[in-house]
Amino acid sequence: GNSVTQMEGPVTLSEEAFLTINCTYTATGYPSLFWYVQYPGEGLQLLLKATKADDKGSNKGFEATYRKETTSFHLEKGSVQVSDSAVYFCALSGIQGAQKLVFGQGTRLTINP
Amino acid sequence: DTEVTQTPKHLVMGMTNKKSLKCEQHMGHRAMYWYKQKAKKPPELMFVYSYEKLSINESVPSRFSPECPNSSLLNLHLHALQPEDSALYLCASSQVRGTGKGYTFGSGTRLTVV
Repeated sequence: GNSVTQMEGPVTLSEEAFLTINCTYTATGYPSLFWYVQYPGEGLQLLLKATKADDKGSNKGFEATYRKETTSFHLEKGSVQVSDSAVYFCALSGIQGAQKLVFGQGTRLTINP
Repeated sequence: DTEVTQTPKHLVMGMTNKKSLKCEQHMGHRAMYWYKQKAKKPPELMFVYSYEKLSINESVPSRFSPECPNSSLLNLHLHALQPEDSALYLCASSQVRGTGKGYTFGSGTRLTVV
């Protein structure tokens, strides 16, 4: 079945540092890939997405590229801010109808000023 | 309108109570979902509705009863819950064809069973 593996956290960085959160997946066919962010006490917000190989999703300075050859979708940001502190989830879905969104375990990110 | 609205935001209920969680969206999405999220864990799928019909039930106990009265509304009826059912309950919606455009989540109902 489909699965997602994220790097374990928590991750603590200083403001303006470079961020990478690794995500790899196992899936049949060509899934859609997502990064969701969850701020404390809130629901999940879609951060970015990619639907086919070599697509790059980007939003709010975050980027991730759909790499089929390495089955990866790593999240990167060049200069993090304190406001980026949150839990980040990598996720995938199939493309045939309404399906389960398969999540990674989540990575808690803390940015110190 | 690009939001999924969930009510109430917080709910405390006793083990003998009956309550309902509500979810509403006006994005024209015809797939709606209920997820359960425990602390420091990813969301776990409970139910999927596609065109107002239940299409996936992830072996959820019968004390949770979903209902989709129309294409914009999704309810989760709760009865005789246990303390371990305390969690954040998230509603989501998406297109049925084209889930690659993403799933939109509500802000959740934080449920405490006492």
